[in-house]
Amino acid sequence: EVQLVESGGGLVQPGGSLRLSCAASGFTLSGYIMNWVRQAPGKGLEWISYISTAGNIYYADSVKGRFTISRDSANNSLSLQMNSLRADDTAVYYCARASSSALKWLNYWGQGTLVTVSS
Amino acid sequence: DIQMTQSPSSLSASVGDRVTITCQASQDISTYLNWYQQKPGKAPKLLIYDASNMETGVPSRFSGSGSGTNFTFTISSLQPEDIATYYCQQYDNLLTFGGGTRVEIK
Repeated sequence: EVQLVESGGGLVQPGGSLRLSCAASGFTLSGYIMNWVRQAPGKGLEWISYISTAGNIYYADSVKGRFTISRDSANNSLSLQMNSLRADDTAVYYCARASSSALKWLNYWGQGTLVTVSS
Repeated sequence: DIQMTQSPSSLSASVGDRVTITCQASQDISTYLNWYQQKPGKAPKLLIYDASNMETGVPSRFSGSGSGTNFTFTISSLQPEDIATYYCQQYDNLLTFGGGTRVEIK
């Protein structure tokens, strides 16, 4: 059974850093495009980053230069290093697996982890 | 960047009603369009991929159509368990989600 479990969320001050993790089971993470998608409280979904099977990385403009996605094949996990956090980064962060090695649809999602940026 | 415009932003319908949601892309995305359902406090769930293909296990009352810039998502007979927010998502260029449509029971 495919499972994704995020961790690492919490309360952080503006300008601070946080590292999110996503533990994958039931499949080999490096064989799929893996994504981070976030949802601000009461708002819609926003794709923010993906890492391809070849290690190619893309970011939304809203996080480019501040967030870093990475993959640990040995531990079958995905990470998101978030620096220079701002109040508008407050959101539930989901890791999500694409359907294949191509970026098409996201058919497996974690339960999400809440990041609150506030002083 | 490709913008996705969903309408309406919310709707209220009776059990058994036919519900239709539209999604418009800012440029031609062929059929590179998916639909998700999100219930409160839960992660999104894929319902329809490639504009009109139903994900395994999804009830047949859900359907999708369209190509190019205009897409439609339909619930043929609204059920109480369909209360959720529905999102379209394009993958022609990276990923972009529509703003969502909240569906409520009248």
